[in-house]
Order: sequence, then C-alpha cells, then structure tokens
Amino acid sequence: KNEVEQSPQNLTAQEGEFITINCSYSVGISALHWLQQHPGGGIVSLFMLSSGKKKHGRLIATINIQEKHSSLHITASHPRDSAVYICAVRYNYGGSQGNLIFGKGTKLSVKP
Amino acid sequence: NAGVTQTPKFRVLKTGQSMTLLCAQDMNHEYMYWYRQDPGMGLRLIHYSVGEGTTAKGEVPDGYNVSRLKKQNFLLGLESAAPSQTSVYFCATRIGLVETQYFGPGTRLLVL
Repeated sequence: KNEVEQSPQNLTAQEGEFITINCSYSVGISALHWLQQHPGGGIVSLFMLSSGKKKHGRLIATINIQEKHSSLHITASHPRDSAVYICAVRYNYGGSQGNLIFGKGTKLSVKP
Repeated sequence: NAGVTQTPKFRVLKTGQSMTLLCAQDMNHEYMYWYRQDPGMGLRLIHYSVGEGTTAKGEVPDGYNVSRLKKQNFLLGLESAAPSQTSVYFCATRIGLVETQYFGPGTRLLVL
C-alpha cells in the first residue's frame, strides 16, 4: 500500500527556533503538498512541489525525488505557527487513482 | 465570495438515522472531494467528483452516497448512520488544471 510517513508526530519548540518537519513516501509521485491545519480545524494549502524548493515568507519546502523525501522548514518560529502540518502526495500510479494520499500530520507547538 | 462552505457545522445523530451534508462553492471549480478525518489518521477520501453529474468512489466509500446535480454543490449522504461514522468531514475543491485544493471549514458529526 502506498503510504506517506511524517516525522516527528509531535514537536514543541521555543519561539525563534528553526523547525524541520519531514515527509517520506514509497514510490514515484507527480506532486507533493504541504498543508496547515489551524487549531480551530481549518485546512489551508501551503505549497505544492514536484521538484526543488519553494519559499514563502518564513516557510521553506524542499523535495528530494531520488530519496523520496520532503522537508518543511520554519525559520524564526512564532507561537502563531502552532498548528498541525500535513504532507500529502499524488502518486504516479496505483490504487489512489491520482488522488491525494495524506500523512497523519505533525503537531507543532511553539512556546513564547 | 464565500469560497467553500459546509452545512451543518455540527450534528449529533442516533444510530440508524440519515442525514445529508452539503458542500457549496462559489469558485466555479470542477473537482470536489469529501474527506473524513479521524484521530491518529490522515485525511481519507470518501467520494469525489470531477464535474457536474459525475461522482466516483474514494478510499473509504462504504456507508456513504454522494450527488453532484449542480456544479457548485456536492452532497454527502449517510443513509443509516453508524457510530463508526463519527468523524470530522471536510469538503475540498480544485480547478481541474491546478493541484491546490481549497478546504471547507469542516462538519463535526457524532453518531450515538
């Protein structure tokens, strides 16, 4: 079964720290997404990657196709970054029919 | 411009009762999705639609039916609710050529 693994499951950081969340997948993909789920439950899309690196403000997402791995980095973390970060992939083939397969999420808590 | 809305926000059902969840969008997106989110698990796809009048099964379709009679609305029905259907349900939409999905605020359903 094609799966998406995220680590760590939970992460607590002090304000200002550099944060890294990891995502790995099992076979070839056509796209990888990072999403943010706010404490109130709302989900927003942060990035879509098929190669290389993307940056938006203090958020940086990278993907290594050969190693089947992606990282989400947060620089100068702030309490408002506290949320669940979700990785999702679109596999090239298989039973997912081209739809997204989601990881279980990483719960980030940033303390002031 | 409301984006993606879901009705209701919260509902309590007794086992065996039926209900319909409504997802409405004003962005003219072709694709619409229904997901469920359970503790300790990633979002899982229930059903999806690639256009008005079309629907398809996702990863966990059993016990649910859907309809998309109008492009802007995607209905999720539970004919005979079971406690295993207690979950938070999210609707999402996307334009056909763009990967990014836009999520509704979620519906919390409790089946007793």
